[in-house]
Amino acid sequence: EDQVTQSPEALRLQEGESSSLNCSYTVSGLRGLFWYRQDPGKGPEFLFTLYSAGEEKEKERLKATLTKKESFLHITAPKPEDSATYLCAVRGGAQKLVFGQGTRLTINP
Amino acid sequence: DGGITQSPKYLFRKEGQNVTLSCEQNLNHDAMYWYRQDPGQGLRLIYYSQIVNDFQKGDIAEGYSVSREKKESFPLTVTSAQKNPTAFYLCASTQAGGNTIYFGEGSWLTVV
Repeated sequence: EDQVTQSPEALRLQEGESSSLNCSYTVSGLRGLFWYRQDPGKGPEFLFTLYSAGEEKEKERLKATLTKKESFLHITAPKPEDSATYLCAVRGGAQKLVFGQGTRLTINP
Repeated sequence: DGGITQSPKYLFRKEGQNVTLSCEQNLNHDAMYWYRQDPGQGLRLIYYSQIVNDFQKGDIAEGYSVSREKKESFPLTVTSAQKNPTAFYLCASTQAGGNTIYFGEGSWLTVV
């Protein structure tokens, strides 16, 4: 059974303090690993898709990386507007998207 | 603007009543999905549909029903059989053969 575990559950950083969020996964035949950002009371907003180990993608202060067992979302010099819950999901051979429980990120000014 | 529209945003239901949540998309996507989100938990798949007039149960389909009469629309009915329906419901869609799922803004359902 495909599984996704995100850590930490919650993370508080000061503005400008870089850090990383972890997404560990087990999947049969990875067809994509996805990162979403979700603001309170809103739907998830798509950020990245990664397909193979070694792949990296960047968008503004965010960079996502992928290995065979985990993915990291690196946040460089974050700002308060980066505060949100970040969701990781995988799609395997069964074609279903399986989500982790998310990491709630708070950036203090 | 292209996108996925869910309505209503907030809905209150009395115990024993059925309610229907609307989901419309103008992205010309073939596949549509319904997820449920509870505090501190990941999204869980309720139902999905890959083509018109066809749909499959997800992981937590009990107490829910759907229809897919039009490509653009995928309404979800929360029946009185759903024991714990208070949650945030998310509709999503993706292109045929596409990999990335896009979400609507969600609907809050509260049972009073």
